[in-house]
Amino acid sequence: GDSVTQMEGPVTLSEEAFLTINCTYTATGYPSLFWYVQYPGEGLQLLLKATKADDKGSNKGFEATYRKETTSFHLEKGSVQVSDSAVYFCALRANAGNNRKLIWGLGTSLAVNP
Amino acid sequence: DVKVTQSSRYLVKRTGEKVFLECVQDMDHENMFWYRQDPGLGLRLIYFSYDVKMKEKGDIPEGYSVSREKKERFSLILESASTNQTSMYLCASSFLAGSYEQYFGPGTRLTVT
Repeated sequence: GDSVTQMEGPVTLSEEAFLTINCTYTATGYPSLFWYVQYPGEGLQLLLKATKADDKGSNKGFEATYRKETTSFHLEKGSVQVSDSAVYFCALRANAGNNRKLIWGLGTSLAVNP
Repeated sequence: DVKVTQSSRYLVKRTGEKVFLECVQDMDHENMFWYRQDPGLGLRLIYFSYDVKMKEKGDIPEGYSVSREKKERFSLILESASTNQTSMYLCASSFLAGSYEQYFGPGTRLTVT
């Protein structure tokens, strides 16, 4: 079945460091791909998305490119801030079958130190 | 502004009690979801609903039931709470079509003692 694999955390970085969080997926066809962020004590919120191959999603300095050839959707940010400390979730929605629900990765915790 | 609200942020219940978790959305979304979130296990789907009075089991429905009598409200019911149901419960909603973005409530941290 469809699945999402994220790099395990926790990830600890210093402020202004470069961030990459890896996400790969298994799905038939062309799923839609999402990154969600969960700040401490809050629910999840959509960070960015891409709905077709080679699309780049971006928001708040974060970017991710939908790579069909490597089945990946890695999250990147050039210079992280303390306020980026959160848990990041990669998810996909299948483009066929029972696609009312999202398939989730396990989440990657990021801590940014000043 | 889009909003999903959950009835409680923190809840403490005793083993064997019947527990109701309420979720309300104001976006006229067709789909609503209940997840539980546990360390190391990510988000796991309990139930979802795609219309009033319609529901489908998610990945871990055992020990839970749901009710959707109105479009904006989706309730999660623990018929007889057990300690292994201590968790963070997250409600979400989305449109049936389109971008399919899910909007989440702030979560309810339930402790069963």
